[in-house]
Amino acid sequence: GAGVSQSPSNKVTEKGKDVELRCDPISGHTALYWYRQSLGQGLEFLIYFQGNSAPDKSGLPSDRFSAERTGGSVSTLTIQRTQQEDSAVYLCASSRTRPRLAGGGETQYFGPGTRLLVL
Amino acid sequence: AQSVTQLGSHVSVSEGALVLLRCNYSSSVPPYLFWYVQYPNQGLQLLLKYTTGATLVKGINGFEAEFKKSETSFHLTKPSAHMSDAAEYFCAVSDPLIYNQGGKLIFGQGTELSVKP
Repeated sequence: GAGVSQSPSNKVTEKGKDVELRCDPISGHTALYWYRQSLGQGLEFLIYFQGNSAPDKSGLPSDRFSAERTGGSVSTLTIQRTQQEDSAVYLCASSRTRPRLAGGGETQYFGPGTRLLVL
Repeated sequence: AQSVTQLGSHVSVSEGALVLLRCNYSSSVPPYLFWYVQYPNQGLQLLLKYTTGATLVKGINGFEAEFKKSETSFHLTKPSAHMSDAAEYFCAVSDPLIYNQGGKLIFGQGTELSVKP
């Protein structure tokens, strides 16, 4: 079946502009994650959605970052007033079932990422 | 707080040689443990994971890893390297005791594996 898809694959923007990154998870997956991969910081967790529960936003680096998930499926990560340090690859992942109440262990399936360059 | 350390940002082996990529974690309780592989310009693909049960875990492409609680380690091995194994490898953990925070992954810094002919 289809995997996690992300769009655009590449985005070049000017400092101060807003950008929107899209993630389509695997059909039926209830959990959705955003991560950021950058040279200086490695792979970092940003935000997690599970069904209709309030998202875990603990990894968002600033209030310029926000994300939403509509209808329990597609998610959009928005970065406002982009800065050069926002340049990175933004990865989305989804998992099949709700992680157990005691924490996760389910496999996360990753999309190919969106490569963001802020000039 | 949990953390993951991967020893060696770059590892080079000859084709046919043993692959050993090291991963140690810091956690008050044994976490769930994962190894992911990333090929150039691609997303991450799961190689294997440990949650419960047998501590020696076998994954795809001939890789395996052993969870050693006493050493807080989860090293990745493959008996014989192939050219197609050249990629970046990430060790990750998730905390089994963090309620309602799902399975967010904490990653190591990654190890780039090169395979020489």
